[in-house]
Amino acid sequence: GDSVTQMEGPVTLSEEAFLTINCTYTATGYPSLFWYVQYPGEGLQLLLKATKADDKGSNKGFEATYRKETTSFHLEKGSVQVSDSAVYFCALNRNAGGTSYGKLTFGQGTILTVHP
Amino acid sequence: DTGVSQNPRHKITKRGQNVTFRCDPISEHNRLYWYRQTLGQGPEFLTYFQNEAQLEKSRLLSDRFSAERPKGSFSTLEIQRTEQGDSAMYLCASSFVWQDQISPLHFGNGTRLTVT
Repeated sequence: GDSVTQMEGPVTLSEEAFLTINCTYTATGYPSLFWYVQYPGEGLQLLLKATKADDKGSNKGFEATYRKETTSFHLEKGSVQVSDSAVYFCALNRNAGGTSYGKLTFGQGTILTVHP
Repeated sequence: DTGVSQNPRHKITKRGQNVTFRCDPISEHNRLYWYRQTLGQGPEFLTYFQNEAQLEKSRLLSDRFSAERPKGSFSTLEIQRTEQGDSAMYLCASSFVWQDQISPLHFGNGTRLTVT
């Protein structure tokens, strides 16, 4: 079955540090890939997405590139802020025949804490 | 856009009791999903509706669980004879599907269930 594996957390960084959160996946076909973020006390929010190989998703300074050859979708940000402290989830959505079902498979989440 | 609304935010119940949660999706969204999230894990898919039709149920959804979306708008998730293992955050999400394209999922803040 489909699965998503994220790097173990928690991750603790100082403000302005470089962030990488690793994500690898196992899926049949050509899934769409997502990063969701959950800020304290809030619901999951879509951060960025990529729907085909070599696509780069980006939002709020975060980037991730869909690497089919390594089945990876690592999240990066060049300079983190305290406000980026949250839980980050990598997810995939299996596409079949060009139709995206919307049923997401999530990784276990990575807690990020950024200190001033 | 008022977002996806879930009620109640918290529910504490005794083992063996029945509970019901409600989800109000974004009004123009025709798809509605239920997920369950336990501590330290990513959300797991439970079931989804397109309009009023329940199209898929996960094997995680035991016979004690039932979901409805009677008029294709709000949805309810009922758990009968609750067990301690049902303690989790229950998340609702909605999206819009048109032909073979689907919008990203929008999640509610969830209902946290504690079974004592």
